[in-house]
Amino acid sequence: GAVVSQHPSWVICKSGTSVKIECRSLDFQATTMFWYRQFPKQSLMLMATSNEGSKATYEQGVEKDKFLINHASLTLSTLTVTSAHPEDSSFYICSAPMGRGQAGELFFGEGSRLTVL
Amino acid sequence: AQSVTQLGSHVSVSEGALVLLRCNYSSSVPPYLFWYVQYPNQGLQLLLKYTSAATLVKGINGFEAEFKKSETSFHLTKPSAHMSDAAEYFCAVSDYGTGNQFYFGTGTSLTVIP
Repeated sequence: GAVVSQHPSWVICKSGTSVKIECRSLDFQATTMFWYRQFPKQSLMLMATSNEGSKATYEQGVEKDKFLINHASLTLSTLTVTSAHPEDSSFYICSAPMGRGQAGELFFGEGSRLTVL
Repeated sequence: AQSVTQLGSHVSVSEGALVLLRCNYSSSVPPYLFWYVQYPNQGLQLLLKYTSAATLVKGINGFEAEFKKSETSFHLTKPSAHMSDAAEYFCAVSDYGTGNQFYFGTGTSLTVIP
């Protein structure tokens, strides 16, 4: 079964509104989670690393005020797309590593398809 | 620094034919290498991983990959393609030990022709 759960799977919103996407680790604690963005027919682009109890680390070119990340607990990270615009429409995927002390494997959420009208 | 190159953004094979998806890596440390599969509108699912043990790694759904240090390659193969194998495949290298960050290739879209 899934070890990382993402919600919602699909979301449609109006331009200018904010959208929150949740990423939960199931049955394990994740002090770190990763947020990716994927454009159609392209690879995953790492947006930011979410750190429990501290600020997220953003990749170069990613607007931290646009994409707010909160890692409030050891099992939950949220990505909020603020004042969304059509160009923010994309597939957002979170992941969490499990198994420190051995080769950590990344487990991925199911992804969230955001469409901004 | 780590990076991954996947040669061939699209691969088509006939059902029952050999599947070969290419992946070359660049890493300044001993790499951990992964192959993931993605079906439409879904997240990524791990097929197999290399973590410095056996160089020939067997994964799910009949896939396997061989780590070749001399060629810096980690190609994915399957002896006989099935229609259900049609998907997007991503090779990734990890810098495990320095943050668990993964670096993904650009992906290869596999089409299986009946």
